[in-house]
Amino acid sequence: DAGVIQSPRHEVTEMGQEVTLRCKPISGHDYLFWYRQTMMRGLELLIYFNNNVPIDDSGMPEDRFSAKMPNASFSTLKIQPSEPRDSAVYFCASSDPGTGNSYNEQFFGPGTRLTVL
Amino acid sequence: AQKVTQAQTEISVVEKEDVTLDCVYETRDTTYYLFWYKQPPSGELVFLIRRNSFDEQNEISGRYSWNFQKSTSSFNFTITASQVVDSAVYFCALSEAYSSNTGKLIFGQGTTLQVKP
Repeated sequence: DAGVIQSPRHEVTEMGQEVTLRCKPISGHDYLFWYRQTMMRGLELLIYFNNNVPIDDSGMPEDRFSAKMPNASFSTLKIQPSEPRDSAVYFCASSDPGTGNSYNEQFFGPGTRLTVL
Repeated sequence: AQKVTQAQTEISVVEKEDVTLDCVYETRDTTYYLFWYKQPPSGELVFLIRRNSFDEQNEISGRYSWNFQKSTSSFNFTITASQVVDSAVYFCALSEAYSSNTGKLIFGQGTTLQVKP
């Protein structure tokens, strides 16, 4: 299995631009998570999906952030407009509940390092 | 409220020393899961172990061992005979089984381990 795939790996953009981060979860995994990691705030859960449906988006910082999961193999996290304080590493993770266990380990992608100038 | 505390921000040891990373958690659930993840300098998050709240047996995997004590709400991680390749940030995490947080991982702030040659 290829693992969780994220693109791009690095993104540099200017303030005000739209940024779209992409994630392909591991095939068969029903849960998908988006995290943000910064030095100041550590690892923060932004939003997660179960069977393509958003379950909890309470971690999404503000309306500038949106996430979608149109199908089981693809998710996007969009920031519009981007601001310098959005600079961080964004991770996508997926997990397999197996026999109904929703707390199996999460497998993380390599992350997208976003820099907003 | 659920919370994970890793009081040690940074630890520095010399190769071959043993080192213990502390993790203390808070939860109201009686069923929960605890995890350790490793984040090497390359940036990816690597799953190390999952423990459920009903299994207090200590676990050993090579040079790694974990001590789970419900009485003190701790899940500590020990590396025996540390090596330079163990240098990384280590995260402890909690997942509750039946609360509204089902499926979410609550991460500690991480402990940066530096192993010097």
